[in-house]
Amino acid sequence: SQQGEEDPQALSIQEGENATMNCSYKTSINNLQWYRQNSGRGLVHLILIRSNEREKHSGRLRVTLDTSKKSSSLLITASRAADTASYFCATGNYGQNFVFGPGTRLSVLP
Amino acid sequence: DTEVTQTPKHLVMGMTNKKSLKCEQHMGHRAMYWYKQKAKKPPELMFVYSYEKLSINESVPSRFSPECPNSSLLNLHLHALQPEDSALYLCASSQVGFLEAFFGQGTRLTVV
Repeated sequence: SQQGEEDPQALSIQEGENATMNCSYKTSINNLQWYRQNSGRGLVHLILIRSNEREKHSGRLRVTLDTSKKSSSLLITASRAADTASYFCATGNYGQNFVFGPGTRLSVLP
Repeated sequence: DTEVTQTPKHLVMGMTNKKSLKCEQHMGHRAMYWYKQKAKKPPELMFVYSYEKLSINESVPSRFSPECPNSSLLNLHLHALQPEDSALYLCASSQVGFLEAFFGQGTRLTVV
């Protein structure tokens, strides 16, 4: 099955700094999604980028997708303590069902 | 209403017990999912229902038995679980296809 692989696995930054997380995957995709999970709670969908898109923005989030390298990055600008969470990428094709990469645990220090 | 509601939030059960986890959504989504998540690990896909029919079973042991009685409800019946089955069980729903999924807050299951 397809699976995203994030790096780094853990990231600590100061409030106000930018955080960048990367995701690599193995097979062709229709789209790639990013999710956030606060400790021990459900996942929240952040952004979906389709395979024919290269970049997408949503508020302080910027996602890029490079299908030739089978990789994506999530940039969180001007981070806040409330951004502390685990971030997962998920990949899949229509008709199949998505699995999550191992995730990046982000800590934003005040 | 963009909520997926899971009950109960916490469950402690013995290895000989039978219990059920419930999930409900009213967004008109026709795909529903069960995931299992261990601490500091990503969610692992267990089952997928598409149009109320089981479409994916990721080689889950038979002590886990899913059920989709209608398009809004998803159950996971538990029987004769092992302590290693203790985990956070997450339900999600989406439009059919690989699209934005909405997750419930999960059921924290402890098997003793």
